[in-house]
Amino acid sequence: EMQLVESGGGLVLPGGSLRLSCAASGFTFSNYAMNWVRQAPGKGLEWVSSITNSGGIIKYADSVKGRFTISRDNSKDTLSLQMDNLRGDDTAVYYCAKSRSENEYDAFDMWGQGTSVTVSS
Amino acid sequence: DIVMTQSPDSLAVSLGERATITCKSSQSVLYSSNNKNYLGWYQQKPGQPPKLLISWASARESGVPDRFSGSGSGTDFTLTITSLQAEDVAVYYCQQYYATPRTFGHGTKVEIK
Repeated sequence: EMQLVESGGGLVLPGGSLRLSCAASGFTFSNYAMNWVRQAPGKGLEWVSSITNSGGIIKYADSVKGRFTISRDNSKDTLSLQMDNLRGDDTAVYYCAKSRSENEYDAFDMWGQGTSVTVSS
Repeated sequence: DIVMTQSPDSLAVSLGERATITCKSSQSVLYSSNNKNYLGWYQQKPGQPPKLLISWASARESGVPDRFSGSGSGTDFTLTITSLQAEDVAVYYCQQYYATPRTFGHGTKVEIK
């Protein structure tokens, strides 16, 4: 069964850091670009970051650029998001989402269940 | 950034009736070299992650009921649910994957009248 399982969410103080992970299984992880998408409480979807299958091309939303770092380990079928200098408006459920192809210009055809991040003092 | 504008914000439709959602992009998402519209539609039920329904503006994903259809090109797109079923109650989002940042519409909530 193909699945994505996120972990690493939690409560963090403003200015703090958190590292999210996404474990992939049931498909050849190294063949596909991957993404992080977040959803603030009661709000819509916001794309956060993407990484191509090889890791050669990385993109970020302006709202997280310079604070978040996406990475992947194709030997471990794992996607990560290092989040530093967190702010209150980073509070959201963070979803790991698979692109349907190796590049970033494709739809997101599989999503994890999400991991919740709350930034609050 | 490409702005995706959905309408309406919400709609209530009777069981078995048609639901129509529109999505307009602030610039064309049609790539001329392959004549593909880089536009997807997602369904999100309460407490669940989004699910891809339609890609390339009109290509239904495997397993998606044929009552869901997508149409449009360039900047104007439509998601149609013919014969609404109870399990279709959800929020529907359009998304462009033509340019970075990938942007989503704000969502349309579909309910049963």
